[in-house]
Amino acid sequence: GDSVTQMEGPVTLSEEAFLTINCTYTATGYPSLFWYVQYPGEGLQLLLKATKADDKGSNKGFEATYRKETTSFHLEKGSVQVSDSAVYFCALTTSGTYKYIFGTGTRLKVLA
Amino acid sequence: DARVTQTPRHKVTEMGQEVTMRCQPILGHNTVFWYRQTMMQGLELLAYFRNRAPLDDSGMPKDRFSAEMPDATLATLKIQPSEPRDSAVYFCASGLAGGGNTEAFFGQGTRLTVV
Repeated sequence: GDSVTQMEGPVTLSEEAFLTINCTYTATGYPSLFWYVQYPGEGLQLLLKATKADDKGSNKGFEATYRKETTSFHLEKGSVQVSDSAVYFCALTTSGTYKYIFGTGTRLKVLA
Repeated sequence: DARVTQTPRHKVTEMGQEVTMRCQPILGHNTVFWYRQTMMQGLELLAYFRNRAPLDDSGMPKDRFSAEMPDATLATLKIQPSEPRDSAVYFCASGLAGGGNTEAFFGQGTRLTVV
């Protein structure tokens, strides 16, 4: 079945460090790919998305590129801030179903 | 500002009691999801509905869990009887399938503790 695998956390970085959170997927058909972010005590919020191969999603300095050849959608940010501390979820939906499959989440902690 | 509303936000109950969680999806959305989040299992899809009809509830323990949409503005998730292992945060999300924008909008969750 469809699945998403993302790197284990927690990830601890100093402010202004470079961030990469790896995400790979397995899916039949042509999935859409997403990154969601969850702040403490809150529900998930969409961070960015890409709906076809080679698309780049970007938002708030974060970006991720849909790589069909490596079935990956890694999240990157050039300079993290303390306010980026949260749990990040990679997810997919396959065409026609709109059934969201999430990875296990990666906790990011940014230190001042 | 449209949002998914979940009630209650917190629930503490004794083992064996019935628990009902409610969700008001965003008006006009045709798809509703129920997820359970725990430290051990992460975010698990329990069930989802399209136009109020259940599409997939394979993630839900059938003997004690039930999910319904009595109308387009209300989704419910019931646990009867509840057990300590049901302690988790339960999220409802809604979205508009077929509308081109595939974002799912999440509520703030119901934190359930079964003692």
